[in-house]
Amino acid sequence: NAGVMQNPRHLVRRRGQEARLRCSPMKGHSHVYWYRQLPEEGLKFMVYLQKENIIDESGMPKERFSAEFPKEGPSILRIQQVVRGDSAAYFCASSPSPYYGYTFGSGTRLTVV
Amino acid sequence: RKEVEQDPGPFNVPEGATVAFNCTYSNSASQSFFWYRQDCRKEPKLLMSVYSSGNEDGRFTAQLNRASQYISLLIRDSKLSDSATYLCVVNLANAGGTSYGKLTFGQGTILTVHP
Repeated sequence: NAGVMQNPRHLVRRRGQEARLRCSPMKGHSHVYWYRQLPEEGLKFMVYLQKENIIDESGMPKERFSAEFPKEGPSILRIQQVVRGDSAAYFCASSPSPYYGYTFGSGTRLTVV
Repeated sequence: RKEVEQDPGPFNVPEGATVAFNCTYSNSASQSFFWYRQDCRKEPKLLMSVYSSGNEDGRFTAQLNRASQYISLLIRDSKLSDSATYLCVVNLANAGGTSYGKLTFGQGTILTVHP
């Protein structure tokens, strides 16, 4: 079992560009979560998805951010028109049930220059 | 009041010491509780789940007090490799006990074990 796979590990974008972060959950896990961690801060929930459905996006900024988990393929977190304040580590996690602990991927570190 | 609150530390202890971390949570209907560990610039990793009866895994003991909405983690005989940030994690629920479906993380407690 390969675990939760995130790519890319590091992503550098210029202000105004788009960032696409990908996450493949563990085999058998249908619940996917995205968290953001700013430097020297804690993990902040962004969005919770199941296949083809957004269950909870209460932590997602209303503009420029979107997430999907299609029937086939990985979950995608998309950030349009990136700004310096978007620089952070973005972690994806998956679980077989919302009552279980999560398994995290190794994260994507986004740097906006 | 924060949903999950931890003493951020840092805790600096010598090898072999016993150290305890505490955590409080705001939602009395919460059902699932965990301790995660995060090393610098790495992903969080599940350390242990926390059960009502308390549970132990080697040098680590977790306790849950539902009445006080309080969770603790005790580390005995600290090792240098225990140095990390320890995250208290709660699966918050509504008044009916239905999970919101997401884990809420505390800010983390930094532990440094020195020789």
